[in-house]
Amino acid sequence: EVQLIQSGPEVKKPGESLRISCKGSGYSFTNNWIAWVRQMPGKGLEYMGRIGPSDSSIDYSPSFQGHVTISAGKSISTAYLQWSSLKASDTAIYYCARLPMRFPPYLGVWGQGTTVIVSS
Amino acid sequence: EIVLTQSPGTLSLSPGERATLSCRASQSVNSNSVAWYQQKAGQAPRLLIFGASDRATGIPDRFSGSGSGTDFSLTISRLEPEDFAVYFCQHYGNSLFTFGPGTRVDIK
Repeated sequence: EVQLIQSGPEVKKPGESLRISCKGSGYSFTNNWIAWVRQMPGKGLEYMGRIGPSDSSIDYSPSFQGHVTISAGKSISTAYLQWSSLKASDTAIYYCARLPMRFPPYLGVWGQGTTVIVSS
Repeated sequence: EIVLTQSPGTLSLSPGERATLSCRASQSVNSNSVAWYQQKAGQAPRLLIFGASDRATGIPDRFSGSGSGTDFSLTISRLEPEDFAVYFCQHYGNSLFTFGPGTRVDIK
């Protein structure tokens, strides 16, 4: 079974750094891009960017470029989303999702989400 | 940039009724690039439809998608209790995924 398992909830203070993770299993991790999606409290879905694990190619949405860093560890089948200095407005649920080997792509398999709360 | 508009914002229906959800793009798009997701409270989104009309694996055939150009729709032929949720349409283009604001289907 294809699964994406995300790291647990985080409570952080403004200005702190954070890295959350998304571990793929049940498939060859380097064959599929992984995307990150934000959902702020009570709001809709926002695409943040994606990474191709085979060569670490990365696309960012212009809305998130420069605010987050996406990376991956091929050997451990894990993608990461990282902040160097959190803001209260980063409070949200963050989902990772796997793109199929198809064009145009869609978000086929989703992780369970990681809740990030940023509060002083 | 493509903007997706979904209507209605909320649809109040009873189990067994038919639900028709609309998604309109700000300009004509390739129907292959349109997908629909279901999100239940406290859960991650789940892919229902891709390529505007292809059901994802394991999705019941009461869910169907259609449309072309700027107008797309998701139809649930007979609502089951587990179908009451929020539904998002999505477009992929220029290396970006864009989502509509969602339609909430709740129990009347």
